[in-house]
Formats: sequence, C-alpha cells, structure tokens
Amino acid sequence: DAGVIQSPRHEVTEMGQEVTLRCKPISGHNSLFWYRQTMMRGLELLIYFNNNVPIDDSGMPEDRFSAKMPNASFSTLKIQPSEPRDSAVYFCASSFEGQGNQPQHFGDGTRLSIL
Amino acid sequence: QKEVEQNSGPLSVPEGAIASLNCTYSDRGSQSFFWYRQYSGKSPELIMFIYSNGDKEDGRFTAQLNKASQYVSLLIRDSQPSDSATYLCAVFSYNQGGKLIFGQGTELSVKP
Repeated sequence: DAGVIQSPRHEVTEMGQEVTLRCKPISGHNSLFWYRQTMMRGLELLIYFNNNVPIDDSGMPEDRFSAKMPNASFSTLKIQPSEPRDSAVYFCASSFEGQGNQPQHFGDGTRLSIL
Repeated sequence: QKEVEQNSGPLSVPEGAIASLNCTYSDRGSQSFFWYRQYSGKSPELIMFIYSNGDKEDGRFTAQLNKASQYVSLLIRDSQPSDSATYLCAVFSYNQGGKLIFGQGTELSVKP
C-alpha cells in the first residue's frame, strides 16, 4: 500500500510569496493531520481533519495559514504571505479514527525555506 | 510542566547494550502511547504503541507503561548503530481534544 504522499519535497521561495503544500493520505484513512517541525519547537500539530472536516485548528499560527480538505484523498496547507520564520519541515500524517486513537502514519515531509 | 517530557539526550550506549528511553506525561486520563523513531532528515516512523499497563514486546523493542506513575518507556535490546536516531514519545488523550501530543524526543547514539 502507498503511504502518505506529500509534495513538493522541497520548496524554496522568497518572503511574501504564496506557498501551497499538498498531501494525499493513505487510502481508507479518515483523519488527516498537518504538523510543523523545527529544532526549537519540535513537532507541532497545526490542524487536523476528520472525515474531511476541520476539527481543531488551534495550532495554526496565524491567519496567514489556511488548510483545506476538499475530499478524502487530498489536502492542502497554504501560507500567504510567507515569512522567513515559516521555514520548517511540514509533515502530513493520516490515521483511521474509527476506533479512536489509532496510530498516525507520516509522509516524507516538505522542507520549506523562505528567503 | 510540559504535557509530554523526554530527556533530549544524547543518550549514548555501546553496541549490543540495552538502550532505555523514558517519557512522562501530565494528563492522567491519557489513553494511548506511541513511540516513533526519526532518522535525521527523515519523517517519524511508528515503531511501537501500547494501551494497557505492563510490557509489550516486538522483536528487540519493549514498551513499558505505568499509568499510575504516568510513565512510559522504550527498551531496545542488543542496540545496533542503525538504531541511532531520535525517538519521539507521543501520547493520545481525548482530554487534549483527541490529539497526539509529542515530546521533544531523545537522541540515541549507539557506538560500535
């Protein structure tokens, strides 16, 4: 089975540009999570969806960040406008939450650098 | 107090020894506990999960959970240099909005 697929793997862009990160969860999983990882703050949950509905976006740093999940097989995380402090590795993870607390499986991540 | 705490390390053990990684959590109502391994530049990879008090073994890995002490550990027997990585403890609780809360991770170095 294919794992969680993220694109792009690397993104380098200038401050002020719009950045869109993409994620395809594992087929059959109904929960999707967006994380950000930095050396200083570790792994932080930004937002998660259950059955395509955003459940908790309390981790989204500010209004510049937005996330959508238009269907069960695709999600985007958008940053507009981007700032250098947004530089981090962004991970998408998915799980099957039919029984509640199932393990999450991570994609390979997007390494984002904002110049 | 952080919700999930781990020693950042690095924890250095010789090849063939037992590596012991520890994690404490603050929410007494936490239900599920996960250990992830993360190699440098890679994504977290699930290696163990445990729901009940006691030990759970999978190959060279043993997860131990003590809910009364709010403590979960991971033992790696016969450590290999390939086990050198950062190990992340994650705790699930409905009290935390049904989210996984990750510790900062412990860096393990296994010396040949």
